[in-house]
Amino acid sequence: DIVMTQAPLSVSVTPGESASISCRSSKSLLHSNGITYVYWYLQKPGKSPQLLIYRMSNLASGVPDRFSGSGSETDFTLKISRVEAEDVGIYYCGQLLENPYTFGAGTKLELK
Amino acid sequence: EVQLQESGPGLVKPSQSLSLTCSVTGYSITSNYWGWIRKFPGNKMEWMGYISYSGSTSYNPSLKSRISITRDTSKNQFFLQLNSVTTEDTATYYCARYGSSFDYWGQGVMVTVSS
Repeated sequence: DIVMTQAPLSVSVTPGESASISCRSSKSLLHSNGITYVYWYLQKPGKSPQLLIYRMSNLASGVPDRFSGSGSETDFTLKISRVEAEDVGIYYCGQLLENPYTFGAGTKLELK
Repeated sequence: EVQLQESGPGLVKPSQSLSLTCSVTGYSITSNYWGWIRKFPGNKMEWMGYISYSGSTSYNPSLKSRISITRDTSKNQFFLQLNSVTTEDTATYYCARYGSSFDYWGQGVMVTVSS
């Protein structure tokens, strides 16, 4: 199975500041078709997970452009610019390259 | 708007089967893929499997001997059955649409396995 390793597991951010979450995969997520199959999700307290970023750097519909995704074949970053109160929750990276699809352990974002 | 809603018992006894339904509105399950994902206490997420627009299925090998995903296209519903459950299957179960990713999710149903 592809292991997704996230860091840090928790982060405390002052509103208005930026935050970055890292994710590393145990195998390249770059497919021969040129697509990198890494995704980012946010689960807000009491809510279902929501898609933030798909295929490494594409912003999902309705997601503020304060969120951005970047990376290489095995190292990925989610950046949140100007953190707001509504950004609190658990962030997960995940891979959809191969079965079984797997997720990172999650990064809990809190406000200072 | 695509909406998914899980339903099923919140308590299952060990060794019994867990059965959940995902009712979909706003989109036909004869398009795209439709999956089940669970979140354990402590935040670990696990993809369980999916059923495709044609009815073919794919399962997480860790569950392959216990899991079945089926559908009823006339009701626009798909189903999860997990056999021989143990306390380790206690989790919140989500159904989700798999388009370019898991882009629409249900609200989740918490299932506790306990005698």
